[in-house]
Amino acid sequence: EIVMTQSPATLSVSPGERATLSCRASQSVSSNLAWYQQKPGQAPRLLIYGASTRATGIPARFSGSGSGTEFTLTISSLQSEDFAVYYCQQYNNWPLTFGQGTRLEIK
Amino acid sequence: QVQLVQSGAEVKKPGASVKVSCKASGYTFTSYGISWVRQAPGQGLEWMGWISAYNGNTNYAQKLQGRVTMTTDTSTSTAYMELRSLRSDDTAVYYCARVSGYDSSGPHDYWGQGTLVTVSS
Repeated sequence: EIVMTQSPATLSVSPGERATLSCRASQSVSSNLAWYQQKPGQAPRLLIYGASTRATGIPARFSGSGSGTEFTLTISSLQSEDFAVYYCQQYNNWPLTFGQGTRLEIK
Repeated sequence: QVQLVQSGAEVKKPGASVKVSCKASGYTFTSYGISWVRQAPGQGLEWMGWISAYNGNTNYAQKLQGRVTMTTDTSTSTAYMELRSLRSDDTAVYYCARVSGYDSSGPHDYWGQGTLVTVSS
């Protein structure tokens, strides 16, 4: 099983600033990596797939990069609605696995 | 528009079974797969398994093998997840999600609203 490790567990950032979230895979997942956003009481929402492709309707301030084992989600100029929990997921190998999440909170 | 609508909350006793449904609309059901993901209270996301709505192929998380069964009814565009021998640590919100690719893994682009399953004596 591929273990996905996200860092940091919690990130405190001020509105308008940039946030950088990391995700590491225990073995290569090529570019088969997705990022999801989850707000309290809501289902997760797909942000990024293929490591760097924004899903339909996702604002351009969200960007993803990386391949192999190291991935990054960057949110430029944080808006109030961006404070949430973010998960990475690999879909290169069965079983599919999620990272433990990064909570993005207002500083 | 794509929608996945799940069945309502359930309360079950330990040892019982639960079957959650996920009715899809707004797309060709058999052109995608369905994953099931659960989230225990205050915890992260746990992938449970996947089923191809095209041919019924499945792939389950090893820890749930033998207790979980995923099926689809293509006549009603509905996916089902049955979990047996319930334990207290199965208490969670259960989500279905559409998976890009009719017979392979992929990103989960649409999600159901979630179904809370509570296991308590």
